[in-house]
Amino acid sequence: LAKTTQPISMDSYEGQEVNITCSHNNIATNDYITWYQQFPSQGPRFIIQGYKTKVTNEVASLFIPADRKSSTLSLPRVSLSDTAVYYCLVGDRNTDKLIFGTGTRLQVFP
Amino acid sequence: EAGVTQSPTHLIKTRGQQATLRCSPISGHTSVYWYQQALGLGLQFLLWYDEGEERNRGNFPPRFSGRQFPNYSSELNVNALELEDSALYLCASSGAGFYGYTFGSGTRLTVV
Repeated sequence: LAKTTQPISMDSYEGQEVNITCSHNNIATNDYITWYQQFPSQGPRFIIQGYKTKVTNEVASLFIPADRKSSTLSLPRVSLSDTAVYYCLVGDRNTDKLIFGTGTRLQVFP
Repeated sequence: EAGVTQSPTHLIKTRGQQATLRCSPISGHTSVYWYQQALGLGLQFLLWYDEGEERNRGNFPPRFSGRQFPNYSSELNVNALELEDSALYLCASSGAGFYGYTFGSGTRLTVV
């Protein structure tokens, strides 16, 4: 069973790049890695998903090293509205278990 | 395209009562997942339904149960409510080719 850990919190200022890392030492071979953003009292919102190397979309990049035991969500030039909790999700369709990370609370300051 | 919808938005129950929460997945999605999120805490996996059957459940007592209907919508039932059941209950759905979830906005259950 994959176990996922994240830093509890991070602080940043507007305009900076933020990198949030998730450790998943026991990820299975066929696990995808997905990242979500959650605001208070709302459901998590999909940000980005990847399997290996680097994935980029209009809001973020996801870096996955060759051993896939960790992943890093990169948010370029954060704004105040990026203040939220960010979760990684490691999926394993063979074992039917999808494990959320512990979550990282990002606070962006003006 | 409509997203995942959950009802009710808020629910207040008395300890010992039963609560029923409902979820409609995205059209075409056959899998529905339920998560519990206590205030300020992470997401704890509750149940997974696919094609009308329970595929997996998390570490919750049997008084947490549910079902999935032929139209793939789902119900979560919580019997003999306890104060610590107060939480945001999130439903998510997934479909073929996407190894992740789309979440609804949740039902806030308060047990008094």
